[in-house]
Amino acid sequence: NAGVTQTPKFQVLKTGQSMTLQCAQDMNHNSMYWYRQDPGMGLRLIYYSASEGTTDKGEVPNGYNVSRLNKREFSLRLESAAPSQTSVYFCASNRDRGWDEAFFGQGTRLTVV
Amino acid sequence: AQTVTQSQPEMSVQEAETVTLSCTYDTSENNYYLFWYKQPPSRQMILVIRQEAYKQQNATENRFSVNFQKAAKSFSLKISDSQLGDTAMYFCAFMKHDPGAQKLVFGQGTRLTINP
Repeated sequence: NAGVTQTPKFQVLKTGQSMTLQCAQDMNHNSMYWYRQDPGMGLRLIYYSASEGTTDKGEVPNGYNVSRLNKREFSLRLESAAPSQTSVYFCASNRDRGWDEAFFGQGTRLTVV
Repeated sequence: AQTVTQSQPEMSVQEAETVTLSCTYDTSENNYYLFWYKQPPSRQMILVIRQEAYKQQNATENRFSVNFQKAAKSFSLKISDSQLGDTAMYFCAFMKHDPGAQKLVFGQGTRLTINP
């Protein structure tokens, strides 16, 4: 049981380049999330998807787009990377009922130079 | 909007000691959940313990327990008999009871070091 799988684990981009972070979960969860982690700021929600076919903005959505490709996969796209997007990105998923535990991927360390 | 505050950026204790990590939150909601997550150097986020706001009894999981003070909006984590493997970042998190997606709001984190 793989849980939540993110790719890649590390990435270096030049300013202005684009890339897509991939996330897949095998737990049949309805809800999926993208967070970014910055020193001294904890994890902040970028976008989320409550179910297949729906996406919503979180706290810090500017500069990002997402796609809920199917129930398993939720991708995060940076169209034109900026140094301010240097961060560690986490994908997570959970069921949409009650206080179910959120399961996290191992994170992607992204550096924009 | 909800906010979560962890006022201790770093803490350090000796192995086998007891340590308490502080967390306060701000919300106008009555139904919610609180969590402590551990992030070791591997970066993996691991759920340590959770508390339902409507339950007055404090949650416990082996060496980990919480002191939940709803009126004071405080949710501290106590680690007893600390071990070297407890060295990690610890995040307090809030989740509003909502239909649909259960979004987490995290505190800034506390870096805990257990010294031999």
